[in-house]
Amino acid sequence: NAGVTQTPKFRVLKTGQSMTLLCAQDMNHEYMYWYRQDPGMGLRLIHYSVGEGTTAKGEVPDGYNVSRLKKQNFLLGLESAAPSQTSVYFCASSYSSTYIHTDTQYFGPGTRLTVL
Amino acid sequence: AQSVTQLDSQVPVFEEAPVELRCNYSSSVSVYLFWYVQYPNQGLQLLLKYLSGSTLVESINGFEAEFNKSQTSFHLRKPSVHISDTAEYFCAVRTYMDSNYQLIWGAGTKLIIKP
Repeated sequence: NAGVTQTPKFRVLKTGQSMTLLCAQDMNHEYMYWYRQDPGMGLRLIHYSVGEGTTAKGEVPDGYNVSRLKKQNFLLGLESAAPSQTSVYFCASSYSSTYIHTDTQYFGPGTRLTVL
Repeated sequence: AQSVTQLDSQVPVFEEAPVELRCNYSSSVSVYLFWYVQYPNQGLQLLLKYLSGSTLVESINGFEAEFNKSQTSFHLRKPSVHISDTAEYFCAVRTYMDSNYQLIWGAGTKLIIKP
């Protein structure tokens, strides 16, 4: 049982390049999330998904796109990378229940992205 | 909208000393509160949570937090810290925003254990 995995672990991009971050979970969770973590700012929600085929915007969605074609995978895309997107990106998942978001979120190990 | 404030960005303490990490939230009718811990170079993991019932909640590794409605606080405490507690600790609150529930996170507090 691997939990939540993220690929890649590290990446360096040039301004304007594009890339996709992959998140996979093997816990059959309905909900999945993408966060970015910046020093002194905690976690900020980029996009999230409440089930296969659905996505929704979080607090800081601009410059990112997501897709949830399969229940176990949640992809985060950067269309045209900017230095402001230099950050550590975390994926998380949680089980669906009546009390949405009171359930524990399980996090992946993170992807450290640098945009030059 | 809900907000979470962690007043201390870093808290240095000596090993075996007590520690308190402070968390305050903006008031709401119903509150669900969480503490997550991030060990170096790892993702976050749940430490403890308050949903309802007893205002004092405990974790398996000796941390506890008390929900104080009148002071809108959810401070994390441990009576005696160990070097292995070195980590960053995040407080979070559930909020209802844009027709969905979301977690709002504090900025984090780094716990630095001095030998």
